[in-house]
Amino acid sequence: QKEVEQNSGPLSVPEGAIASLNCTYSDRGSQSFFWYRQYSGKSPELIMFIYSNGDKEDGRFTAQLNKASQYVSLLIRDSQPSDSATYLCAVNSAASGGSYIPTFGRGTSLIVHP
Amino acid sequence: NAGVTQTPKFQVLKTGQSMTLQCAQDMNHNSMYWYRQDPGMGLRLIYYSASEGTTDKGEVPNGYNVSRLNKREFSLRLESAAPSQTSVYFCASSEDRDYGYTFGSGTRLTVV
Repeated sequence: QKEVEQNSGPLSVPEGAIASLNCTYSDRGSQSFFWYRQYSGKSPELIMFIYSNGDKEDGRFTAQLNKASQYVSLLIRDSQPSDSATYLCAVNSAASGGSYIPTFGRGTSLIVHP
Repeated sequence: NAGVTQTPKFQVLKTGQSMTLQCAQDMNHNSMYWYRQDPGMGLRLIYYSASEGTTDKGEVPNGYNVSRLNKREFSLRLESAAPSQTSVYFCASSEDRDYGYTFGSGTRLTVV
């Protein structure tokens, strides 16, 4: 069973601070990694994806990938109360017939307080 | 663009009843997925369809069946609902393994 692990939190940060969310995965063959944001009662929405080792920046968000350590992280700079949500890490793994299926972590709850 | 459309949004069933959850996407995606989300359990894959005409079991397929009716539509059927199937069900689709997944708005199902 392929596993994706996240600290459930809640992670509480003050407005304007950097929030750091972490994720580890068990399948060394995984090639694609995703971060989703899910507000309470809503569906997950994709905010970042990363395939290569290193950092990828998009606005206030930075995804970091270290395949050797099987570790993915998401940094949110200048955190805002509107960033308060659950953040889901997803990892693609190869399945039968050349297809890929995503495995999701259980999510980390982020609270940004004014 | 509607993206991924799920119906119904809410449903209450009695134990033993059957129902079909509908999902349709208008993005010409090849792959479609059904997940259930329970408190503390995260998203768990029920079934997926990598392409039109194929379906495969995910992590928690027992008690469910699926049909990939065409490239756009992927339905999930509960033949005899049980209280353990009370959950929020999400349908998702994907163009390619590297492009992430687009989710529908979900179906909140309660089995009493």
